[in-house]
Amino acid sequence: DAGITQSPRYKITETGRQVTLMCHQTWSHSYMFWYRQDLGHGLRLIYYSAAADITDKGEVPDGYVVSRSKTENFPLTLESATRSQTSVYFCASSESSGARYEQYFGPGTRLTVT
Amino acid sequence: AQKITQTQPGMFVQEKEAVTLDCTYDTSDQSYGLFWYKQPSSGEMIFLIYQGSYDEQNATEGRYSLNFQKARKSANLVISASQLGDSAMYFCAMREGFGTNAGKSTFGDGTTLTVKP
Repeated sequence: DAGITQSPRYKITETGRQVTLMCHQTWSHSYMFWYRQDLGHGLRLIYYSAAADITDKGEVPDGYVVSRSKTENFPLTLESATRSQTSVYFCASSESSGARYEQYFGPGTRLTVT
Repeated sequence: AQKITQTQPGMFVQEKEAVTLDCTYDTSDQSYGLFWYKQPSSGEMIFLIYQGSYDEQNATEGRYSLNFQKARKSANLVISASQLGDSAMYFCAMREGFGTNAGKSTFGDGTTLTVKP
């Protein structure tokens, strides 16, 4: 299917466990992003990537690790999950870094850390 | 650092009436883009409209228009002829155009719009 997909859509994990959220896009967009959305709030940028093997921190990177070995994939790993990381995680992509390019969002992953 | 402020946590509008959702921004960049996204209760993020910092005309997309006042650093979304399906959360966002932070976006906290029949 064309577009941007995330898996899993729902995940429950325990404190201290490692969990990886997957993101895949079929447009060959150069830029990819990970955001978290806490209940009743906007999106906060965790990490972003300008191209394969190029990643950079966003506003709230602590506790997260990303990699981008292929243009189409951008996994997000929580190394040791904490309850404060309970959130909805959105992956997004855009064609370029230019200010005029909107982002296309995946459906989100709802993560609960118990 | 960029900042987006949406001062209206919730708004109500009667069906078929127009509504304005407020957004102010702060940036020292000269080149930037302003966006509005819609998030229905189903959770997906939908792009609505874009305004470039150098655009002299206000952007319009169907029933959506962006009232861009650069000197005031405001980018308000106007929805005309509201429909029940417009009930959703609306986010204002800004994206930097150049420099080391090119491509990064900042989002506001959103406004929940409820359209009354």
